[in-house]
Amino acid sequence: GAVVSQHPSWVICKSGTSVKIECRSLDFQATTMFWYRQFPKQSLMLMATSNEGSKATYEQGVEKDKFLINHASLTLSTLTVTSAHPEDSSFYICSARDRARIRGSPLHFGNGTRLTVT
Amino acid sequence: AQSVTQPDIHITVSEGASLELRCNYSYGATPYLFWYVQSPGQGLQLLLKYFSGDTLVQGIKGFEAEFKRSQSSFNLRKPSVHWSDAAEYFCAVASGAGSYQLTFGKGTKLSVIP
Repeated sequence: GAVVSQHPSWVICKSGTSVKIECRSLDFQATTMFWYRQFPKQSLMLMATSNEGSKATYEQGVEKDKFLINHASLTLSTLTVTSAHPEDSSFYICSARDRARIRGSPLHFGNGTRLTVT
Repeated sequence: AQSVTQPDIHITVSEGASLELRCNYSYGATPYLFWYVQSPGQGLQLLLKYFSGDTLVQGIKGFEAEFKRSQSSFNLRKPSVHWSDAAEYFCAVASGAGSYQLTFGKGTKLSVIP
């Protein structure tokens, strides 16, 4: 089945540094990827929609300059948390849609990245 | 705007007992509905989805869900729960098959007593 690989699975960084999270579709091409953030014991909140070859669409309240998204190819999207602060500590999950199966194909999720900012 | 409500934050059942997790949605048109399961520290795995047709949908791991338009519900059921089913369950709605921008409920944590 379709696999989405997310890396790293966990990362600890110091306040003020930047962290890059990668999301790859391993056996399908994804024109659209989605980035979610999940706080402890909370639901997933959509942060942004990443479109291959164009700018990402951010949800209201999400800082574009803080959460940089790049979707340079049909199999890779990256989320960079710039100048991270402790309040950015969270669980980040990406998902992707198979471009070859527009209808009937669900979103495939990565295993998430646990970010801890000290 | 679409929304999803999962009324139960935490449910505990005995192994072998039946299970029903509730989900209510709010959406003006025909909804596309999903149930996902999340184990601790992991991503989400799709259990089943409803797009159209038969309102009783079969999924993986012995789960099923029934779409009831009159009640705006999409409840998840399993006749006999296994200890490995303990996890967080999320109901989600999409505005269209071509959209796939999902709105999630807050989730229901399932605990299973041996």
